[in-house]
Amino acid sequence: KNQVEQSPQSLIILEGKNCTLQCNYTVSPFSNLRWYKQDTGRGPVSLTIMTFSENTKSNGRYTATLDADTKQSSLHITASQLSDSASYICVVSARSYQLTFGKGTKLSVIP
Amino acid sequence: NAGVTQTPKFQVLKTGQSMTLQCAQDMNHNSMYWYRQDPGMGLRLIYYSASEGTTDKGEVPNGYNVSRLNKREFSLRLESAAPSQTSVYFCAIRQGAGSNQPQHFGDGTRLSIL
Repeated sequence: KNQVEQSPQSLIILEGKNCTLQCNYTVSPFSNLRWYKQDTGRGPVSLTIMTFSENTKSNGRYTATLDADTKQSSLHITASQLSDSASYICVVSARSYQLTFGKGTKLSVIP
Repeated sequence: NAGVTQTPKFQVLKTGQSMTLQCAQDMNHNSMYWYRQDPGMGLRLIYYSASEGTTDKGEVPNGYNVSRLNKREFSLRLESAAPSQTSVYFCAIRQGAGSNQPQHFGDGTRLSIL
């Protein structure tokens, strides 16, 4: 069964600090891996998409990495801001419509 | 979220009532999706439509029906609502069914069934 596991479940950090969120998956065949940001009461918004051949992809202060051999991905947030408080969802695509969503990591950035 | 409009934003139903959740897009994308999001679980696909005139079941289709009215609109219908269908429902769109393009989500419909 295709699965996506995220850790930690929740995280509290001080404004200005860095943090790293983890995603492990057992999805096959692998097509791509996405990270989404979901603000409270809103729909998810795409941060990055990585295919098999991509190791790293950045979007401003967000940097995602992918190790397709170990089936692991991470999302690193640099110099966190209060607006980074949200849930971050890892999504792995096996086929065109078949997406497996992780449960998300809830990040709280405090002043 | 710009591009995908869901109505209503909130709804309370009694068990057995029916209702239709509406989704409309202005991005001219081919693929449209309906998901549900429950506490402690990842989003789960209910139905999707790869293009106008086609619909297919996702992971959790039981108790739901869909209509792809035209390229812009994709509706989700609950014929006889059950408490287990209390959830947040998200509509999403994507440019192509097989592409690596991201999905764009609406802001959801929060549905409570008593």
